[in-house]
Amino acid sequence: GAVVSQHPSWVICKSGTSVKIECRSLDFQATTMFWYRQFPKQSLMLMATSNEGSKATYEQGVEKDKFLINHASLTLSTLTVTSAHPEDSSFYICSAIQIAPNSPLHFGNGTRLTVT
Amino acid sequence: GEDVEQSLFLSVREGDSSVINCTYTDSSSTYLYWYKQEPGAGLQLLTYIFSNMDMKQDQRLTVLLNKKDKHLSLRIADTQTGDSAIYFCAEIQAAGNKLTFGGGTRVLVKP
Repeated sequence: GAVVSQHPSWVICKSGTSVKIECRSLDFQATTMFWYRQFPKQSLMLMATSNEGSKATYEQGVEKDKFLINHASLTLSTLTVTSAHPEDSSFYICSAIQIAPNSPLHFGNGTRLTVT
Repeated sequence: GEDVEQSLFLSVREGDSSVINCTYTDSSSTYLYWYKQEPGAGLQLLTYIFSNMDMKQDQRLTVLLNKKDKHLSLRIADTQTGDSAIYFCAEIQAAGNKLTFGGGTRVLVKP
């Protein structure tokens, strides 16, 4: 089945540094990938839609300069949390959708970010 | 706007059936999904149903869709301790690929 690989699975960084999270579709091509954020015991909140070869579409309230998204190929999207602060600590999950019609979303295993 | 709601918690005994319910408001939903999330992990697609279907069965999982009432349910037969997790229903609109998630139902299976 379709596999989405997310790396790293967890990261601890200091305040003010930047962190890059990768999302790869391993066995299919994905023109569209999505980035979600999940707070403890809450549902997923869509942050942005990443489109291959074009700018990402951000949801209302998500700072595009803080959460940089790059979708350079059909199998890779990256999310960079710039100048991270403790309030950015969260679980970030990516998902990808196959080019084939009527395909469901497949999710990565998530990245737990802790900013100290 | 879209809204998807689920009950927060379900406790069930091992071997019994679990039924997780979900309601949604968007009548243009085309596909409805059930995802499973274990602690510290991402989401695993369990099953999905097209909006023109009433029922779908896949091994221990049965999905029922009442489009008139905008009600979706997931039945897990012979629930096992490994089924303890958070279950999210989600719907996708006819336009675009953006999923709208429910708040998740935490299922606890007791031995």
